[in-house]
Amino acid sequence: GNSVTQMEGPVTLSEEAFLTINCTYTATGYPSLFWYVQYPGEGLQLLLKATKADDKGSNKGFEATYRKETTSFHLEKGSVQVSDSAVYFCALRARNSGNTPLVFGKGTRLSVIA
Amino acid sequence: GAGVSQSPSNKVTEKGKDVELRCDPISGHTALYWYRQSLGQGLEFLIYFQGNSAPDKSGLPSDRFSAERTGGSVSTLTIQRTQQEDSAVYLCASSAQGGNTEAFFGQGTRLTVV
Repeated sequence: GNSVTQMEGPVTLSEEAFLTINCTYTATGYPSLFWYVQYPGEGLQLLLKATKADDKGSNKGFEATYRKETTSFHLEKGSVQVSDSAVYFCALRARNSGNTPLVFGKGTRLSVIA
Repeated sequence: GAGVSQSPSNKVTEKGKDVELRCDPISGHTALYWYRQSLGQGLEFLIYFQGNSAPDKSGLPSDRFSAERTGGSVSTLTIQRTQQEDSAVYLCASSAQGGNTEAFFGQGTRLTVV
């Protein structure tokens, strides 16, 4: 079946440090890939997405590139801020004719300290 | 409405009682999803609706859990004879038609079974 594996947290970084959160997936065919973020006390919201191989999703300084050859979608940010402290979820959606549920990783908690 | 609305936001119930959780999706969204988020766990898929039908109920943990959707809009997740292990945040999401579209999440219902 389809699955997502992301690095275990928590991750603690100092402000302005470089961030990488690893995500790999297993899926039939070529899924769409997503990163969702959950800020403290808030609901999940989409951070970025990529729908085909070599696509790069980007938003708020975060980037992730859809790598078919390594089945990966690692999240990166060059300089994190305290406000980036949140839980980050990698997810995939199988490419079918209709809607299918998102399959999520377990989430990675990021804490950024000043 | 402007976003996915869930009610109640918090629910405390006694073990053995039944509870109903409500989800009002974004107007026009054909797909609706229920997930469960337990402390320290990722998002566990429960059930998915396309219109009023549920093509995938594979995530429902037991026959105590059921869900329905009427009029292609509001959905209700019912848990009968609640158990302490049912305590979690129950998240609802909706999306428009199409495999590349993002899912929009509600704020969730925090259920505590005492």
